[in-house]
Parts: sequence; C-alpha cells; structure tokens
Amino acid sequence: DIQMTQSPSSLSASVGDRVTITCRASQSISSYLNWYQQKPGKAPKLLIYAASSLQSGVPSRFSGSGSGTDFTLTISSLQPEDFATYYCQQSYSTPVTFGPGTKVDIK
Amino acid sequence: EVQLVESGGGLVQPGRSLRLSCAASGFTFDDYAMHWVRQAPGKGLEWVSGISWNSGSIGYADSVKGRFTISRDNAKNSLYLQMNSLRAEDTALYYCAKKLGYGDPRGAFDIWGQGTMVTVSS
Repeated sequence: DIQMTQSPSSLSASVGDRVTITCRASQSISSYLNWYQQKPGKAPKLLIYAASSLQSGVPSRFSGSGSGTDFTLTISSLQPEDFATYYCQQSYSTPVTFGPGTKVDIK
Repeated sequence: EVQLVESGGGLVQPGRSLRLSCAASGFTFDDYAMHWVRQAPGKGLEWVSGISWNSGSIGYADSVKGRFTISRDNAKNSLYLQMNSLRAEDTALYYCAKKLGYGDPRGAFDIWGQGTMVTVSS
C-alpha cells in the first residue's frame, strides 16, 4: 500500500497569511494526488485534483503543485472560512489512501 | 442538484450485519465509479471500497476485505455496502462519494454525501 504523510500536522495562522502544507507519498504516484478540505461536522470538499487542477467553484487562492512523491497545497491569503482540516489523497492505486490531515486554526 | 444521500446506519452488536445505501440524484449515475469512505470519531479519512460504473472492477481496503461487499444498482441510482461480521473498529461515519470524471478509474472524489453513522457496540 502507498503511505501518505503530511506536514505539519497542525498549524496556527492569521487571516491574510500564506499557508503551505506538504504531502509525501511512499512511492511515485505521478500526479494522482488530490486535496480535500473538511470542516467540523461536514463532509470533505474537493479542492485540487491531479496535483494542480483547481476544482470548479474553489477560490483561486488555493493552488497545488508537485509530482512523483512530493506535493504542496498553498493558500495564498488565508481567509476566515479556510480554517479547517486538509487531507491529501493518492488515487494512483488501490487501496486509495489519505494523509493523516493538517489542521489549520486561528493564531 | 447533484446529491448523494446515505442511509442504513445505526447501532449494531459485534458480529452482526448492516447494509448501507446511497441514493444518487442530479447526475447520470451509471457513468461514474463510486466509493465508500469512512471516518472514525475524531480520526482521519479511510477509503473502504470502490466500484466501477459497470461493477466490473471492485476494490476493498484490507481492513474490510472478506467482510464487506460493495454493489450498485444503476437502474435505481443506488450504491450499497453490505457489512458483515462487524467489529468495534468499524465504528465510523460512512460517506459515499462519486469519482470525478469518466475514463481513468484513478481519480478524485468530487461529490460526497453527508454520511451515515455506524456504531458497533454490545
């Protein structure tokens, strides 16, 4: 199985900050890397698919990059509604696996 | 409106069975692969199972293989998860999710239901 790791596991940031979350796969997954946002009591929401493609309706302050084993989610200017937990997911092979999550909260 | 609605969760004793359902609407259900993903209380996301548009390709997490069975009825726009020999560690909120796009089965999940809670306890 492909293992996914994320760093940091949590971070505190202020509105307007630039935030970067990294995700690493235990083996190459090409660009089959997706990012989700989850708020408490809600289902996950797809933000970025195929490493760098912005899902329809997602604000352009979210961006993704990377390929192979190392990936990054960037929020260019953190907004109040962005405080949430973020998960990466590899869909390169079965079983699909998720990272452990990165919780972004208010500094 | 594109929507997935799960049902069938509840409290069940260890060793018993439960069948979850997911009703799809607002899109052509039989065009897309579908998945089940679960989340234990306070924990992260765990993929459980996936099924291709025509049921020709099915996969399971090792943690549920041999106990859970995924299926779909395209005529009823519905996805199912038959869960047998349930264990305490199966306690979780179970989401159904739609795969983004056609073709390559290896894709993101773009539509999620609200989830149905399964609690396994005596």
